[in-house]
Amino acid sequence: SQQGEEDPQALSIQEGENATMNCSYKTSINNLQWYRQNSGRGLVHLILIRSNEREKHSGRLRVTLDTSKKSSSLLITASRAADTASYFCATDSGSNDYKLSFGAGTTVTVRA
Amino acid sequence: GAGVSQSPSNKVTEKGKDVELRCDPISGHTALYWYRQSLGQGLEFLIYFQGNSAPDKSGLPSDRFSAERTGGSVSTLTIQRTQQEDSAVYLCASSPGRWGEKLFFGSGTQLSVL
Repeated sequence: SQQGEEDPQALSIQEGENATMNCSYKTSINNLQWYRQNSGRGLVHLILIRSNEREKHSGRLRVTLDTSKKSSSLLITASRAADTASYFCATDSGSNDYKLSFGAGTTVTVRA
Repeated sequence: GAGVSQSPSNKVTEKGKDVELRCDPISGHTALYWYRQSLGQGLEFLIYFQGNSAPDKSGLPSDRFSAERTGGSVSTLTIQRTQQEDSAVYLCASSPGRWGEKLFFGSGTQLSVL
């Protein structure tokens, strides 16, 4: 079964608005990563947050991690049409495991 | 090359035929992964190669699936006697090698089994 599960499944916002999506996972982790996928093809790495970190920023992206709740959130501020994509969280299993487990993703549509 | 290269980008085949999918990872990356993504779904782990170690084949869905990695670089995923449920995007990714690092993905191969 998938380790990470994103919520919501789909999100539609107006350009300039913020988009927030969440990821919940089941077992302890070493780190959590977020990826973006355009048009159902290759994924692009966005940001990695380690289990001892609580918040991380990269440009218009803000990621939080709450290990007590086994959850993470990805915030995209001031969204643009180019942010239209599917977003996936990926987690390891916390036991030196190289296998990343991906959720089903959140599909974000940014309307002009 | 500059990124992970996969070929072909699209493959249409008839049920029962064998197919080979190729992945050329980023030069110097010792870790190589194959994932499968069905329409509208997340990624399903298939197989992992790390240097010269024995691969982790725990995600391969059946014995019709096999993969090789020659010389620690190029990898080939082979699906024998394809079935319609094999239709999916097959994604390859590589990383420098240490666990916990980000993955670099190729653009994938869209496999359609008729």
